[in-house]
Amino acid sequence: GQQVMQIPQYQHVQEGEDFTTYCNSSTTLSNIQWYKQRPGGHPVFLIQLVKSGEVKKQKRLTFQFGEAKKNSSLHITATQTTDVGTYFCAGLQNQAGTALIFGKGTTLSVSS
Amino acid sequence: NAGVTQTPKFRILKIGQSMTLQCTQDMNHNYMYWYRQDPGMGLKLIYYSVGAGITDKGEVPNGYNVSRSTTEDFPLRLELAAPSQTSVYFCASRGRQGRNQETQYFGPGTRLLVL
Repeated sequence: GQQVMQIPQYQHVQEGEDFTTYCNSSTTLSNIQWYKQRPGGHPVFLIQLVKSGEVKKQKRLTFQFGEAKKNSSLHITATQTTDVGTYFCAGLQNQAGTALIFGKGTTLSVSS
Repeated sequence: NAGVTQTPKFRILKIGQSMTLQCTQDMNHNYMYWYRQDPGMGLKLIYYSVGAGITDKGEVPNGYNVSRSTTEDFPLRLELAAPSQTSVYFCASRGRQGRNQETQYFGPGTRLLVL
């Protein structure tokens, strides 16, 4: 079945450094979504990418969808302590688009 | 809107006991999901539903059952609890946010410990 893989699993940065997490799918995705989960919390939707090569920005966060629609990345510029958490990418499980399959996530820690 | 609500927040079960995790959403979403998240791990899909009366298995359905008698409710049943089912369980529903963007909303989770 479809697999969604994320690297790295963990990343520690100093406040102010940049951070990037990468997501790769074994199959072509119709779209990809990104979620953030704060420690002890639940996943919260960040963004959805649909078009090949699409780039979207949310303040210091930049999301990219690969040309082949099989990979994606999330880049955070100048991390802050509020960025701490686990970032998940998710792709639709099947052609019917009925369920999202999540990657294992990248856990970001930031020290000040 | 309350969004997606889950009860209980925390539960301790003995091996072999049964329980039902409740999930309710008030956004009139057709799609609902149950995930489990083990410590330091990602989300694994247990069961999902595309509408009232329709359910389907996800990646890890063994040991669980679901029902979807109404649009709002999607309970998850554990019949014979096992230590391997110790996890955090998230319920989610999916609906449209803006044009061509479907967002998945998660409940706060139920922490289950089986001893």
